[in-house]
Parts: sequence; C-alpha cells; structure tokens
Amino acid sequence: EAQVTQNPRYLITVTGKKLTVTCSQNMNHEYMSWYRQDPGLGLRQIYYSMNVEVTDKGDVPEGYKVSRKEKRNFPLILESPSPNQTSLYFCASSPWGGRSNEQFFGPGTRLTVL
Amino acid sequence: AQTVTQSQPEMSVQEAETVTLSCTYDTSESDYYLFWYKQPPSRQMILVIRQEAYKQQNATENRFSVNFQKAAKSFSLKISDSQLGDAAMYFCAYREDSGGSNYKLTFGKGTLLTVNP
Repeated sequence: EAQVTQNPRYLITVTGKKLTVTCSQNMNHEYMSWYRQDPGLGLRQIYYSMNVEVTDKGDVPEGYKVSRKEKRNFPLILESPSPNQTSLYFCASSPWGGRSNEQFFGPGTRLTVL
Repeated sequence: AQTVTQSQPEMSVQEAETVTLSCTYDTSESDYYLFWYKQPPSRQMILVIRQEAYKQQNATENRFSVNFQKAAKSFSLKISDSQLGDAAMYFCAYREDSGGSNYKLTFGKGTLLTVNP
C-alpha cells in the first residue's frame, strides 16, 4: 500500500530534550516536506526537500533541522524543543516534475513539549 | 506572498442538504493549483478535490464540486447530499506551478463543518 508513515504518532517530552520525528514514504517520491498545524493558523511549512541531500527552509524553520540521506526518509529533528513547538506535525511527499500535483500526507504526530 | 482566506470558521448543514464553503486567495501568478483537503477527527489530511488554474471547467468528484472564479480569485467547495461522514475540518490550499523547487501548499485557516442528522 502506497503511504507516508510517521513515528511516533504521539509524543510528550520536556523542554530541551532532543527528539526526532521520522517520516518515510514508499512511493519513490523525490519531494518531501514537513508542516506544522496550530489552531487557527492552518498548516505552515517548516522544511522541504527536492531530493536526496537537497533541503531548504520553509516558512517556519526556526528550532528545527532536517536531513535527507535516503530518498524514502525525511526526519524532523528538534535539537532543543521548547513549549512553543507543541503542535501537530505532518510529513508530506509528492513526485517531482510534470503536472503531478497531489501531495500525500502522513497520519500526523502530536507533540507536546512541557 | 500568497495568502488563502477562509472566511467561515464554522458551518453547519442538515444531512442530505447542500452546503458551500468559501475560499479566496491572493496571488500574482497565472499558473497554480487549488485544493480542498478534509481533516476528520482522525486528523488525517485527505484530498477532496483539486483544480488546475489553466482549466476553465470546474472540477467535480462525486458529491463534491468547486466553483472556480479565476478573475475573482475565488474557489468555493460545494458538498451535495451531505452525509454524517462529511463532518470534518476543511482546508483550502494553494500551490504555485511556477517550475520552482518548492511545492509548498499555502493553507487557509480551515472551516469546521458540522452535519446535523
């Protein structure tokens, strides 16, 4: 089954404790992206990647890091989480090029930083 | 920067009735895509319908259809014969088709749809 998976689905942590949210897709997509969803704000892009070893900032990158060492994986790293990073996080992927335009979303990761 | 505005934070509809959700957007681009996503209580983001700006014909997917007014920069979603399973948060989203490197989706703030039995 074609899908985007995220782990963990739920995480409660404390300020300053480094964490990684994994994202993996099995559709051989070149493009991957991270969004955060906050009440009343919709979804906002954190980082994106066009392909392996190619990443760039989105609209709200502060406090986050990403890496793209393999095509299928795009982990989101919070080196020193803070309470304002409490949010719902989504990973998404899409083929690159042409008129392809649908992005496939993972199930979301609910993060709480105390 | 592009912006997407959903002016209705909440809407309600009776089962089997029709409801229209509004969305306007601001862009200086001529080529772009528009989407409606549904987010049920499971929080999964589900693509409902998409519209390419270069197509004049309004997109339709079963009970879901859009009214795309390019000059007015308006993209409303009509749900016909509403069902209880349609209850969800609905997001309007925009994406450029400029050939750039970022397929960023710009989302509105969402409209929470309640379906009353």
